[in-house]
Amino acid sequence: EAGVAQSPRYKIIEKRQSVAFWCNPISGHATLYWYQQILGQGPKLLIQFQNNGVVDDSQLPKDRFSAERLKGVDSTLKIQPAKLEDSAVYLCASSLATGGYEQYFGPGTRLTVT
Amino acid sequence: AQSVTQLDSHVSVSEGTPVLLRCNYSSSYSPSLFWYVQHPNKGLQLLLKYTSAATLVKGINGFEAEFKKSETSFHLTKPSAHMSDAAEYFCVVSSSGYSTLTFGKGTMLLVSP
Repeated sequence: EAGVAQSPRYKIIEKRQSVAFWCNPISGHATLYWYQQILGQGPKLLIQFQNNGVVDDSQLPKDRFSAERLKGVDSTLKIQPAKLEDSAVYLCASSLATGGYEQYFGPGTRLTVT
Repeated sequence: AQSVTQLDSHVSVSEGTPVLLRCNYSSSYSPSLFWYVQHPNKGLQLLLKYTSAATLVKGINGFEAEFKKSETSFHLTKPSAHMSDAAEYFCVVSSSGYSTLTFGKGTMLLVSP
């Protein structure tokens, strides 16, 4: 079974530029999550999708971050414009459904904003 | 509200000696508790989970954890460390019935020969 795929693995941009990350969840998984992991901290949930609908985006900085999952499969997370404090690893995870199912994590995208 | 405190940012052990990674939690509801491991440049992997069944939970690679409600703790142990255990470990809490995970800050386990 293929795992959660993410691209790119690494990205370096200057502040005020825009960037997008892509995630393809495990086939058949209805729930998709985006996390932000700042160096020295645990991952923090940014947004959770159930199929193509948003379940929880309470910690997403909506003035600069956006995410979509248009067909209920893969997803894109965008930052526009980026700030220095956005430097982090962005993790995508998926699970069969909400409510206690195991989350499977991708390898992450390491973003450096200079 | 829910939160997790991992009491040590780094733990160093010698190969073959026991491992203890400490975790305390806070949750308004009956919690589900997890330990995840993160090897360098790899995704997070679930080690074990507690979901209100047996209080002693066995996971992969010889790890186990004990849920102690009176102490609000969920410490991770392993009788004998291997070099391959060197990684970062995260204690995670989720309120019963929800899938939102709250991660601790992580404990880096260093294993020396």
